[in-house]
Amino acid sequence: DVKVTQSSRYLVKRTGEKVFLECVQDMDHENMFWYRQDPGLGLRLIYFSYDVKMKEKGDIPEGYSVSREKKERFSLILESASTNQTSMYLCASSVFGRSYEQYFGPGTRLTVT
Amino acid sequence: GQQVMQIPQYQHVQEGEDFTTYCNSSTTLSNIQWYKQRPGGHPVFLIQLVKSGEVKKQKRLTFQFGEAKKNSSLHITATQTTDVGTYFCAGKVNDYKLSFGAGTTVTVRA
Repeated sequence: DVKVTQSSRYLVKRTGEKVFLECVQDMDHENMFWYRQDPGLGLRLIYFSYDVKMKEKGDIPEGYSVSREKKERFSLILESASTNQTSMYLCASSVFGRSYEQYFGPGTRLTVT
Repeated sequence: GQQVMQIPQYQHVQEGEDFTTYCNSSTTLSNIQWYKQRPGGHPVFLIQLVKSGEVKKQKRLTFQFGEAKKNSSLHITATQTTDVGTYFCAGKVNDYKLSFGAGTTVTVRA
């Protein structure tokens, strides 16, 4: 069964802290994605990766960076957390060359105070 | 860039009634996908439409892709409490990316 896991369901951090969100998939998918979900705005793409060590900016990359050292793991980094980064963060993965359906993790609700 | 618009944002439905949610793109889409997110859950893939004018059914759900491949709709008949959640459409941007609509959040009155 397809599985995408995220390191935390809930996280509370202080303004200025460096925050790491981890995502692991066990499906050997090439593509991995980080989205943030806010009410009324849907899912907005932050960064994606189509291969190990490869990354591409999405629609809202400012204030974020990513790391993909292994195929199964994709990390989202908030270099200096700010209150406007309080949100639900969703990781997803997909196979390249097939139906492109994305499989989502359970999400991390991050609160920055 | 490509933008996918989805309406309505909220849909309050009496149990047993039908409703439709619509998705419109500013550009032609190669395909469109639909996802459902239950309250407290994560988006789950429902279906993909690829061909112009394509219609697919899943039990009480009917998905349609417009002739110009710039719009899509999801119609649910005889709404049940299990239909509660947020429905997202997503247009394929390139080989990697999807552009998601803002979603339609459905609540059902028993």
